[in-house]
Amino acid sequence: DADVTQTPRNRITKTGKRIMLECSQTKGHDRMYWYRQDPGLGLQLIYYSFDVKDINKGEISDGYSVSRQAQAKFSLSLESAIPNQTALYFCATSESSNTGELFFGEGSRLTVL
Amino acid sequence: KQEVTQIPAALSVPEGENLVLNCSFTDSAIYNLQWFRQDPGKGLTSLLLIQSSQREQTSGRLNASLDKSSGRSTLYIAASQPGDSATYLCAAQGATDSWGKLQFGAGTQVVVTP
Repeated sequence: DADVTQTPRNRITKTGKRIMLECSQTKGHDRMYWYRQDPGLGLQLIYYSFDVKDINKGEISDGYSVSRQAQAKFSLSLESAIPNQTALYFCATSESSNTGELFFGEGSRLTVL
Repeated sequence: KQEVTQIPAALSVPEGENLVLNCSFTDSAIYNLQWFRQDPGKGLTSLLLIQSSQREQTSGRLNASLDKSSGRSTLYIAASQPGDSATYLCAAQGATDSWGKLQFGAGTQVVVTP
């Protein structure tokens, strides 16, 4: 089984719908991240969490919210999806260090029509 | 703000040639520079991590160098194989942020032809 698991892997939805992407990890890491990837733009940080009670906005948090339900679980929500949120979303984890290696999930491809 | 650039955006080489992938960054205050591989529709897999105090890091056919003074890192893949076809991303982990934020380049898409 993968160390970082994302569900769903693919989702097609309509404008205005609420969507939740879930991430769970078995690496025992405190730090978890949500990134968005668009073609030609690299990865952009949406939200990050250093522990269950510490959640921070990243570069592009508008239109998104997160919940850290447990050390191992970090979910990303789109309260009212819009077409320009169509992208590939990645969850990642790292140790509690500023120099730690990142471990990524397989990604969730979201299409908003 | 840290900016990370990877040029070219894509390249194609015949099998057996050595691959040279470039990564440049604007702020030399970094903890480390990381190289990742991404296969189509998949997540990112870490290849090499070079600490700021290191000049290079090697793993099998892969070698990555780091020159902080010039803001450059280079990933060398020796004797390329079709299985090396993927997108390669670099990321600089900033030391000016309080928590070591990673800034990613857009990646170089590599095709190795048999």
